[in-house]
Amino acid sequence: NAGVTQTPKFQVLKTGQSMTLQCAQDMNHEYMSWYRQDPGMGLRLIHYSVGAGITDQGEVPNGYNVSRSTTEDFPLRLLSAAPSQTSVYFCASRPRDRVRNSPLHFGNGTRLTVT
Amino acid sequence: AQSVTQPDIHITVSEGASLELRCNYSYGATPYLFWYVQSPGQGLQLLLKYFSGDTLVQGIKGFEAEFKRSQSSFNLRKPSVHWSDAAEYFCAVGARGSGTYKYIFGTGTRLKVLA
Repeated sequence: NAGVTQTPKFQVLKTGQSMTLQCAQDMNHEYMSWYRQDPGMGLRLIHYSVGAGITDQGEVPNGYNVSRSTTEDFPLRLLSAAPSQTSVYFCASRPRDRVRNSPLHFGNGTRLTVT
Repeated sequence: AQSVTQPDIHITVSEGASLELRCNYSYGATPYLFWYVQSPGQGLQLLLKYFSGDTLVQGIKGFEAEFKRSQSSFNLRKPSVHWSDAAEYFCAVGARGSGTYKYIFGTGTRLKVLA
């Protein structure tokens, strides 16, 4: 059971380049989300999804796109990278809301540097 | 608005000493509360969670937390710290948002353990 798998682990981009951060989970979780972690700011929610075909914005969505075509995958796209997007990105999933008190399961993160 | 405050950015304790990490939350209803630990280069691992019932919650690795509604607090404790406990600790609250529960994280407390 792999849990939540994120690829790549590290990435360096130049300003203006695009890329996709991959996230896959094998726990049949309906809820998936992306966070960014910056020093002194904790984890901030970028986008989330409550099921295939359904996505919504978190608190810092600008500059990022997501889609959810399957239950397992939730990729995060940077269309035109900016230095302000240098961060560590975490994907997290959990069962649907009916499973009360269900915690988030996290991937190991992707460290992104934009020069 | 929902929020989580961890007032201590850094804490240093000696190995074998007791530990208390503070967490205060702001949420109108009964909260879901969580503590996570993050080792360097890793994702977040759940230590313990609270939803209802006994206000003293036991977790993994010998940690416990106490929910105090009157103080809006959910402090994490450990009677005797081990060197391997050095990590960053995050408190989080699960808050009902538009259509689903969202998880709001504090800014984290970095624990250093002296030999």
